[in-house]
Order: sequence, then structure tokens, then C-alpha cells
Amino acid sequence: GAVVSQHPSWVICKSGTSVKIECRSLDFQATTMFWYRQFPKQSLMLMATSNEGSKATYEQGVEKDKFLINHASLTLSTLTVTSAHPEDSSFYICSAATSGGRFLDEQYFGPGTRLTVT
Amino acid sequence: RKEVEQDPGPFNVPEGATVAFNCTYSNSASQSFFWYRQDCRKEPKLLMSVYSSGNEDGRFTAQLNRASQYISLLIRDSKLSDSATYLCVVSLNSGNTPLVFGKGTRLSVIA
Repeated sequence: GAVVSQHPSWVICKSGTSVKIECRSLDFQATTMFWYRQFPKQSLMLMATSNEGSKATYEQGVEKDKFLINHASLTLSTLTVTSAHPEDSSFYICSAATSGGRFLDEQYFGPGTRLTVT
Repeated sequence: RKEVEQDPGPFNVPEGATVAFNCTYSNSASQSFFWYRQDCRKEPKLLMSVYSSGNEDGRFTAQLNRASQYISLLIRDSKLSDSATYLCVVSLNSGNTPLVFGKGTRLSVIA
């Protein structure tokens, strides 16, 4: 099956610093990548949709200047949490989808990145 | 009203039991339906897609009622390894459209 990796798997940073999370599709080209966030005991909430080569579409309530998304290639999207604060501590998960081929109709999730801001 | 609603549980059942989870969704335009499984501190993993005619995969049976906007998952002969959170997920389309997740139902299978 399709493999999506995320790096780092966990990170602890100090308040005010920025953190970059990478999401890679390893064996297919992802035309679309999604970034989700999950707080403890809550559901995954979509933050933004990212299409290769174009600006990300952010969900209502998600600050685009705080959560910078870059989808520069068909296999890599990055999420940068700028000036992180303790309330940004969460589990960040990406998923990748392709518009055709044998991976149609499914999104493939990365293993997630656990961010703790102290 | 939440887009996807599930009973959070927890459901504590003995090994071998049959357990059923229900889910309702609010957007009648939803086209794709799934059950995902999520273990603690891990990413969700697709358990099965849900089709209008209902579908079965081993011990797991999923049903969809579009008229009632209701989805169910039945697990027969529960195993200890079935302990996890089960997420009801819907989408307006498939593939390149976002998934909308329920909060999940926690299942603990006890020896």
C-alpha cells in the first residue's frame, strides 16, 4: 500500500519558536495533501488542504500566517508552526491523496507528529 | 450540530462478544463513508469503507442508511487486539476531498 512519512515524529520546543513538520509520500505522487490536528480526546480536525504548486486552503479559524504550509513538490508538503505557544501542543497528522491510479478513493495518513510547546 | 456524531463510549466487552457502534452524519451530500481505527497516540488506519449495500470483512460488518444518515459497525467475536478507538468518517467525495471525522468510540475488549 501507499506509504506516507512524517518527520519529526515528536518534538518539544519552547514557546515563541517555530517548528517545521514534513510530510512525504514515499511511493506515489500526492496531488493533494491534508493537514489535520487532534487534541486529546477530540476528533481529527482539518486545518488546511494543500495542492501541489498552489496556495493552501485553510479552514475557518486556522490562522494561515501562523500555520505556514508549503507543497512544493508532488511528494512533499511542510507545515511550519510559527511562534508556537503551549495551546498549539497537539498531534499533527498529514494525509496524502492522488487523483488517479491505484490509490484512488483513499487517503493515506502519515504517522503523525506530536508537538509539545513548553 | 456536529457533522459526525458518535457515542464516545467506552464500551467494555469480554472477549468473544459482539459489539455494535453507531454514527450519524449531518451533511446529506456526503458520498463516501468509512470506519477508521485509531490506537492510542497513533495515526488513524482505514478499517473499511462503507457501501450502501452493506459490506463485510471477516468479523467486521458495516451498514449505511442514507435515508437516516446513519452508519454502523458490527464487530463479532471480539479479540483483545480490537481494543482501540473507532472513528466514523465521511467525505463529500473521495480521494481528494477532506475527511470529516467523528470523535470516535472507545472499545476495550477484556479477557
